[in-house]
Amino acid sequence: GNSVTQMEGPVTLSEEAFLTINCTYTATGYPSLFWYVQYPGEGLQLLLKATKADDKGSNKGFEATYRKETTSFHLEKGSVQVSDSAVYFCALSDNLRVAGGTSYGKLTFGQGTILTVHP
Amino acid sequence: EAGVTQFPSHSVIEKGQTVTLRCDPISGHDNLYWYRRVMGKEIKFLLHFVKESKQDESGMPNNRFLAERTGGTYSTLKVQPAELEDSGVYFCASSPIAGSAYNEQFFGPGTRLTVL
Repeated sequence: GNSVTQMEGPVTLSEEAFLTINCTYTATGYPSLFWYVQYPGEGLQLLLKATKADDKGSNKGFEATYRKETTSFHLEKGSVQVSDSAVYFCALSDNLRVAGGTSYGKLTFGQGTILTVHP
Repeated sequence: EAGVTQFPSHSVIEKGQTVTLRCDPISGHDNLYWYRRVMGKEIKFLLHFVKESKQDESGMPNNRFLAERTGGTYSTLKVQPAELEDSGVYFCASSPIAGSAYNEQFFGPGTRLTVL
């Protein structure tokens, strides 16, 4: 079955430091890959995604590249801010064809990484 | 546009009691998913509705869990009787089908369930 292994945290950084959170996956076929973020007191939000090999997802200064050869989707940001403090989840999804169109199937998540950024 | 809402936000019950969680998806979203995060571990899939039909319920842990989505709108997840290991945060997500492909799942804030 599908699985996602995510860098264990917590991760503590100073503002403007470089961030990398590692994520590797096991899946059959060609899944789509995601990073979700959960800010304190809020629900999960999609941060970025990539749907095929070599795609780069980017948003809010964060980037991740779909590397099929290494089955990885590492999250990076060049300069973190205090407001980036949150829990980050790597996830993958099979793509389903259902009546009426195409949808992502169920998400398989990593265990989450707590990021704390200090001023 | 209102997001995915879940009720209650917190629930504390005793072992053996029954609890019903509710999820209201974004209007017009045919896909509805339930997930659970137990004790800081990974978020795990429970089941997936397409409209009122169960597309995939492979993640439901046992027959103490019953999910419904009558009329294809809101969904309920009932746990009866609750056990200690059911404690965790239950997330609901929804996404559209019609329109563009590869539609994002939008998550609710979750219901934190504590079974004592």
